Amino acid sequence: KAGVTQTPRYLIKTRGQQVTLSCSPISGHRSVSWYQQTPGQGLQFLFEYFSETQRNKGNFPGRFSGRQFSNSRSEMNVSTLELGDSALYLCASSPGTGYYGYTFGSGTRLTVV
Amino acid sequence: GEDVEQSLFLSVREGDSSVINCTYTDSSSTYLYWYKQEPGAGLQLLTYIFSNMDMKQDQRLTVLLNKKDKHLSLRIADTQTGDSAIYFCAEGTGNTGKLIFGQGTTLQVKP
Repeated sequence: KAGVTQTPRYLIKTRGQQVTLSCSPISGHRSVSWYQQTPGQGLQFLFEYFSETQRNKGNFPGRFSGRQFSNSRSEMNVSTLELGDSALYLCASSPGTGYYGYTFGSGTRLTVV
Repeated sequence: GEDVEQSLFLSVREGDSSVINCTYTDSSSTYLYWYKQEPGAGLQLLTYIFSNMDMKQDQRLTVLLNKKDKHLSLRIADTQTGDSAIYFCAEGTGNTGKLIFGQGTTLQVKP
């Protein structure tokens, strides 16, 4: 069974640009969550989508947004990039509850220059 | 508020047992997870425990939960060099995909 797939693996963007990251969950999983990982702040929850609806949101500015499609694939978008947005962005999928745990992808490493 | 604390570093000899500790604050947490992260990789789910359990064993891994003290530990028996990684504990209610992670414990295994 295929795991969680995140694309691209690496990305370099310039300050002020915008970026879109993609996450394909495990087949049958309806929940996709996004996390930002930085050396200073650790792993921080961005938002979660379940059946195309945002179910929960972390404390990030409005520049960070996401969506989920009918096939459960999810995208997150960051507009007006700042240097501090450089991070590893991880997505996790689950059937819908924590009973089976959350399976993470390998992440997208975003570097803002 | 929600907070998860872990010690930052642990060094053991190959073949010894490793014990990684974690404390959490949210009493409404239903699930407590342990994840492993190797360099350049995502998070690998190792095991998890429900908050109404005291212990869970899974091959070389043993999770102990002290609900009164909100203390969680992960014991790795017969630690191998391949166990060298960062270990994260995380708490969640299970109803949403929001997990609160600790800072991670770097486990160094010396041959």
